[in-house]
Amino acid sequence: AQSVTQLDSQVPVFEEAPVELRCNYSSSVSVYLFWYVQYPNQGLQLLLKYLSGSTLVESINGFEAEFNKSQTSFHLRKPSVHISDTAEYFCAVRSGGYNKLIFGAGTRLAVHP
Amino acid sequence: GAGVSQSPRYKVAKRGQDVALRCDPISGHVSLFWYQQALGQGPEFLTYFQNEAQLDKSGLPSDRFFAERPEGSVSTLKIQRTQQEDSAVYLCASSLEGQLTEAFFGQGTRLTVV
Repeated sequence: AQSVTQLDSQVPVFEEAPVELRCNYSSSVSVYLFWYVQYPNQGLQLLLKYLSGSTLVESINGFEAEFNKSQTSFHLRKPSVHISDTAEYFCAVRSGGYNKLIFGAGTRLAVHP
Repeated sequence: GAGVSQSPRYKVAKRGQDVALRCDPISGHVSLFWYQQALGQGPEFLTYFQNEAQLDKSGLPSDRFFAERPEGSVSTLKIQRTQQEDSAVYLCASSLEGQLTEAFFGQGTRLTVV
């Protein structure tokens, strides 16, 4: 069965510092990977996705993630974080032929001034 | 509407009570999903509909959980005889068909069983 491991439950970081949120997956078939962000009392919003093509994917607000097949990883990075990036981040892998998602436990990113 | 809409946003139920949670997907989205998110956890898959057909209900935790989508649009998740362990946020998501699509999530319904 597919699974997703997010190695850090919490990541504290100062504003304007770089950050990496780690995600590893297990899958023996074609992989589709996602990062979702959840702000307090809100639903999940798609941050970025890897479906095919270039292994480096980017979001509109400066986040990027790289699909690494050999290491079965899809780590999320941002070179300089803002206070507004404080949120819960979930890595997910698609399971099966439709959009059924298997989520990791989440990483709480706390950006401090 | 423009996004996935869920109601109510918050629900408090006494143990043993039945509850019904509603999801309005994005218009035209064929696929609809329900997830359960316990406090401090990632969402866990409950069930999947393609139009009105429930194609996967492998994640429903017990026979107290029942979901329907009779006309292939609005969906209802019903929980009978609620128990404290049912307390969670219930998320609904919808998507178009196809491999290169993404799921859009609603804001969820927070269910608290007291």
